[in-house]
Amino acid sequence: NAGVTQTPKFQVLKTGQSMTLQCAQDMNHEYMSWYRQDPGMGLRLIHYSVGAGITDQGEVPNGYNVSRSTTEDFPLRLLSAAPSQTSVYFCASSHEPPGGELFFGEGSRLTVL
Amino acid sequence: AQSVTQLDSQVPVFEEAPVELRCNYSSSVSVYLFWYVQYPNQGLQLLLKYLSGSTLVESINGFEAEFNKSQTSFHLRKPSVHISDTAEYFCAVKDYGQNFVFGPGTRLSVLP
Repeated sequence: NAGVTQTPKFQVLKTGQSMTLQCAQDMNHEYMSWYRQDPGMGLRLIHYSVGAGITDQGEVPNGYNVSRSTTEDFPLRLLSAAPSQTSVYFCASSHEPPGGELFFGEGSRLTVL
Repeated sequence: AQSVTQLDSQVPVFEEAPVELRCNYSSSVSVYLFWYVQYPNQGLQLLLKYLSGSTLVESINGFEAEFNKSQTSFHLRKPSVHISDTAEYFCAVKDYGQNFVFGPGTRLSVLP
């Protein structure tokens, strides 16, 4: 009963490096999303997808790219990491809107030096 | 755009005392409301949700929340808290669009 799986759980990068955070769900959810969590700011939406081949920007998309080639996977790419991207990242998915709740992964803690 | 306010960033309370965590949202249209709980170093888990019908919703572990449309509020309550309720609690709102908007969170600390 995996749900939403994120990897890696921890990562340290140097400024300017790139990396990909992986997210996979096994619930056949159409909707998937990425959030970042920073102290005192709650969760802010980075990018989301309503199905394979469809992605859109959320509240804080700059510096991040996403793609959705399959229903199951929704990777988040940091193109050139900056210290401001130090955060905890959560992937979440849900069933058909509008009332479906979000199911979250366990998070990926990223530190950019 | 939607916004969610959780006025209390931290709430300390003694074990077995009652607690209320406040949540207000900005939308005047029909919305769906959620409370999520986050235990240390974990992801968020759904605690309860309001979609329609009865304005009082309950969770399996004794929490309840009441939807008040006139006050645009969805406060979370528990009549008697336990040490294990120590966590961060997030209120979230969703309208007929795709996305959720989360509040900044309230850290509940239950003291022995």
